[in-house]
Amino acid sequence: TQLLEQSPQFLSIQEGENLTVYCNSSSVFSSLQWYRQEPGEGPVLLVTVVTGGEVKKLKRLTFQFGDARKDSSLHITAAQPGDTGLYLCAGPYSGGSNYKLTFGKGTLLTVNP
Amino acid sequence: NAGVTQTPKFRVLKTGQSMTLLCAQDMNHEYMYWYRQDPGMGLRLIHYSVGEGTTAKGEVPDGYNVSRLKKQNFLLGLESAAPSQTSVYFCASRGGIVRAFFGQGTRLTVV
Repeated sequence: TQLLEQSPQFLSIQEGENLTVYCNSSSVFSSLQWYRQEPGEGPVLLVTVVTGGEVKKLKRLTFQFGDARKDSSLHITAAQPGDTGLYLCAGPYSGGSNYKLTFGKGTLLTVNP
Repeated sequence: NAGVTQTPKFRVLKTGQSMTLLCAQDMNHEYMYWYRQDPGMGLRLIHYSVGEGTTAKGEVPDGYNVSRLKKQNFLLGLESAAPSQTSVYFCASRGGIVRAFFGQGTRLTVV
């Protein structure tokens, strides 16, 4: 079983601040995904990163996949209250199966007005 | 375009009762999953299916059974509910290697 560790577990910031959350593993992943989950809802995919060193931008969100494909980060610029939610990283299991997705425990972000 | 639909959305069970959670997807996806989400534990995989008629165990399968008789439906059963099964249950489906689509969840309380 591959373990994805996310940090920090909780983050509370003021509107307008920048932040970075991390997703780390001791194993190599063929791809990693980031999801955002709002209260009472299921997770929704934000981005998939596939290539080591890849950087993807989604408006104020910047996602990076580590060169060795063992880690990823999510940077938010000028956070807004609408960014509040649980951010989850996920990757496919190894061991011959790409069918299963393993999730980190998530970073719960609160952006205060 | 419904995507992934879970029923029911809320349920309260007494210890020892049984129930079935239904997941339906209209995207013709091959892979379907059941996860449970508990505070501080993230999403943990209970069972999954890679196609009609197939099922496999995930990380936390004990106390649950599943069936995938039709491609679009994935059922999760609790034969004898226990308080430890109080959780929020999410169904997901995938059509390819990457993106998973999730339902809105079922909040189950076992008293």
